[in-house]
Amino acid sequence: QSALTQPASVSGSPGQSITISCTGTSNDVGGYNYVSWYQQYPGKAPKVIIYDVSNRPSGVSYRFSGSKSGNTASLTISGLQAEDEADYYCISYTTISTWVFGGGTKLTVL
Amino acid sequence: QLQLQESGPGLVKPSETLSLTCTVSGGSITSSYYWGWIRQPPGKGLEWIGNTNDSGSTYYNPSLKSRVTISVDTSKKHFSLRLSSVTAADTAVYYCARRRGGTSDLDYWGQGTLVTVSS
Repeated sequence: QSALTQPASVSGSPGQSITISCTGTSNDVGGYNYVSWYQQYPGKAPKVIIYDVSNRPSGVSYRFSGSKSGNTASLTISGLQAEDEADYYCISYTTISTWVFGGGTKLTVL
Repeated sequence: QLQLQESGPGLVKPSETLSLTCTVSGGSITSSYYWGWIRQPPGKGLEWIGNTNDSGSTYYNPSLKSRVTISVDTSKKHFSLRLSSVTAADTAVYYCARRRGGTSDLDYWGQGTLVTVSS
């Protein structure tokens, strides 16, 4: 299985909105509403911020939102804050009952 | 509060078998959850290794399937990873994590443990 495609890096200024894409195929992202997003700080374990495409766990800021269109899922962060600077990963369920991560995106807050 | 803790050797010789255990505390290891392993080579992205549940349903990354075994011991409240015939490419931080059944939510993670493959 091939890794999902994410941009290597994105950047934005405080207060702006950014979107990170996660592109797969009809065998993963496009076939199921089982896509989640994780935020990871250096040296720390990842933390879930969106699951099942657009669900936000309790305690996660409303500034994080998720969506999906066709074979591409997206994570949007609105009102960027310095603390949002981190790596972000998507993961999707696949037709062979496995899971596949995206390559990760480094978010820089300018 | 549920906690997951990885344990095992931090150094493994090439061609040998990597063995890690994830101990679950503060909650049940049964019920509708999947227990899995994810790894991250230094400076690189996350890779899903596989997962299992208390009824023995197990799924593995196709690229690792021939070398991986994941098992759960409900009586001891832990689950384990075995990766055989390791090479330097298997050097990584290994995380254990819980996924809520019927969702894509990996809601609890261990802190991760670095395993280095070197002679």
